[in-house]
Amino acid sequence: DADVTQTPRNRITKTGKRIMLECSQTKGHDRMYWYRQDPGLGLRLIYYSFDVKDINKGEISDGYSVSRQAQAKFSLSLESAIPNQTALYFCATSDSAKGTGAYEQYFGPGTRLTVT
Amino acid sequence: KQEVTQIPAALSVPEGENLVLNCSFTDSAIYNLQWFRQDPGKGLTSLLLIQSSQREQTSGRLNASLDKSSGRSTLYIAASQPGDSATYLCAVGRGSTLGRLYFGRGTQLTVWP
Repeated sequence: DADVTQTPRNRITKTGKRIMLECSQTKGHDRMYWYRQDPGLGLRLIYYSFDVKDINKGEISDGYSVSRQAQAKFSLSLESAIPNQTALYFCATSDSAKGTGAYEQYFGPGTRLTVT
Repeated sequence: KQEVTQIPAALSVPEGENLVLNCSFTDSAIYNLQWFRQDPGKGLTSLLLIQSSQREQTSGRLNASLDKSSGRSTLYIAASQPGDSATYLCAVGRGSTLGRLYFGRGTQLTVWP
């Protein structure tokens, strides 16, 4: 089984709908991240969480919210979806306590979201 | 703010060539640098992680170097194969915000037989 899983893998929704993307990890990492990827723009950080009680905004947090339900779960919500939120969304994890491998990020397979 | 640039944006080479992908960053106060591979429509696979105290890392046909003072990293791929075709992404982690990565836009590599 994959270490970092994302659900759903594909989602089509309408403008104004609230949707939630979920991420789970079995790596035992303390840190989790949400990114979006747009063609030609690279990956941009939406939110990140260093532990269950520590959540921080990234570069492009407007229109998004997150919930860290447990160390292994980090959800991203679009409160009222709009077409320019159509993108590929990635969850990632890293471990702050792993010596020379600390902070190496591992990515999930992504969720392709289309807002019509 | 950390800016990461990758050159070239796209590269097409015949099988068997050795090639170099370039990454530059504006703030040398980095904690680490990570190279990823991304296949079309897929997630990112970590290839190599270089800590700020290291000069290079090697994995199979891949070698990544880091020069913090000049703000540069290179990914060297030896004896390229069609299976190496993918987008290669460079990302740097800043020392002041451990764990966050700043990504370049990637180099799209095509290796033809």
